[in-house]
Amino acid sequence: KAGVTQTPRYLIKTRGQQVTLSCSPISGHRSVSWYQQTPGQGLQFLFEYFSETQRNKGNFPGRFSGRQFSNSRSEMNVSTLELGDSALYLCASSLGTEGQPQHFGDGTRLSIL
Amino acid sequence: GQQVMQIPQYQHVQEGEDFTTYCNSSTTLSNIQWYKQRPGGHPVFLIQLVKSGEVKKQKRLTFQFGEAKKNSSLHITATQTTDVGTYFCAGLVRADSWGKFQFGAGTQVVVTP
Repeated sequence: KAGVTQTPRYLIKTRGQQVTLSCSPISGHRSVSWYQQTPGQGLQFLFEYFSETQRNKGNFPGRFSGRQFSNSRSEMNVSTLELGDSALYLCASSLGTEGQPQHFGDGTRLSIL
Repeated sequence: GQQVMQIPQYQHVQEGEDFTTYCNSSTTLSNIQWYKQRPGGHPVFLIQLVKSGEVKKQKRLTFQFGEAKKNSSLHITATQTTDVGTYFCAGLVRADSWGKFQFGAGTQVVVTP
């Protein structure tokens, strides 16, 4: 069974631009969560989608948004990029019932110049 | 702010020694999961604890969930170089109708031969 696939693996943007990251979950997984990982901060929860609906969200500004499609694939969008948005963005999928183990992708490394 | 605290942040271990990493929450957790992230890799699910006082073992790894379900620990005996990586705990916190995982900042483990 294929794992969680995130594209692209690397991105370089400049301040003020916007970016869209993509995540394809494991087949059969209906929940997709997004995390921001920076050194020393661990994984900060952005949001979770289940059946095309945002089921949970973290404490990030409205510049961070996401969506999920009917095939469970998810996208995350960040608008008006700031230097502090430089991070590894990880997507994780799970079956969907609460508290299930999460399966992570390799992440998208976003660098803001 | 961060509800799930993890200590220590760094752990240098001599090969063959034991060590423990601790996870503490300010609120009661529905369950707790542990993940391992190898350098350059993504977090990989290790185990989940659900019951108060639960103890689970995986070979040289022993996981505990506190009686009050507010803390957890991971103890590794006879550390090997393959244990290198960052260990994260993730506590399921239920604030609204659906729980979300709060990750600790991780314990980065370096093993010297």
